[in-house]
Amino acid sequence: EAGVAQSPRYKIIEKRQSVAFWCNPISGHATLYWYQQILGQGPKLLIQFQNNGVVDDSQLPKDRFSAERLKGVDSTLKIQPAKLEDSAVYLCASSSMGGGLLREQFFGPGTRLTVL
Amino acid sequence: AQSVAQPEDQVNVAEGNPLTVKCTYSVSGNPYLFWYVQYPNRGLQFLLKYITGDNLVKGSYGFEAEFNKSQTSFHLKKPSALVSDSALYFCAVRDDTDKLIFGTGTRLQVFP
Repeated sequence: EAGVAQSPRYKIIEKRQSVAFWCNPISGHATLYWYQQILGQGPKLLIQFQNNGVVDDSQLPKDRFSAERLKGVDSTLKIQPAKLEDSAVYLCASSSMGGGLLREQFFGPGTRLTVL
Repeated sequence: AQSVAQPEDQVNVAEGNPLTVKCTYSVSGNPYLFWYVQYPNRGLQFLLKYITGDNLVKGSYGFEAEFNKSQTSFHLKKPSALVSDSALYFCAVRDDTDKLIFGTGTRLQVFP
């Protein structure tokens, strides 16, 4: 099966500019996650969707970050305006609803954002 | 709150030798623990998980992990390291909302 797709793979912008990342999860996966991975740290969950509804966005900086999953399939994460500290790799992951505690998250290759 | 700690930033081992990458956890309730590996410019790949049952969990690429409740540890092991095992390894715990909480990662370097 095809994996989680993300684009672009790399993005360089200046601070105060806007940027958007796209994610297409594995077909049939109802749950989609966006993680932020700052250099030298582990990934941190930004937002979790179940179909097109938000399950957890407690760690999303809502003053500048937004995300949507309008049709319950692909998703877009936006930063507006970007700050220097937003430089990180943004990882998208998906999982199926079945399997209970056994289900695992499958990760995309990530988008590396550099804010100058 | 759930958390995991990886006390070593880097582990160096010679090819053919056994390797151990350490992880300790702090959870309220039952621990659901995971190991992921990250190769350069690639996403995280699932290695193995502990949900319940046997304390020794076998995973992908010959890796295994030992769950120790009394020491609150979930160390990743492999009997014989390969140069191709060199990567960044993350321990994670899943909380009640299905969120994965990751450690800071350990870089494994296997020397020929």
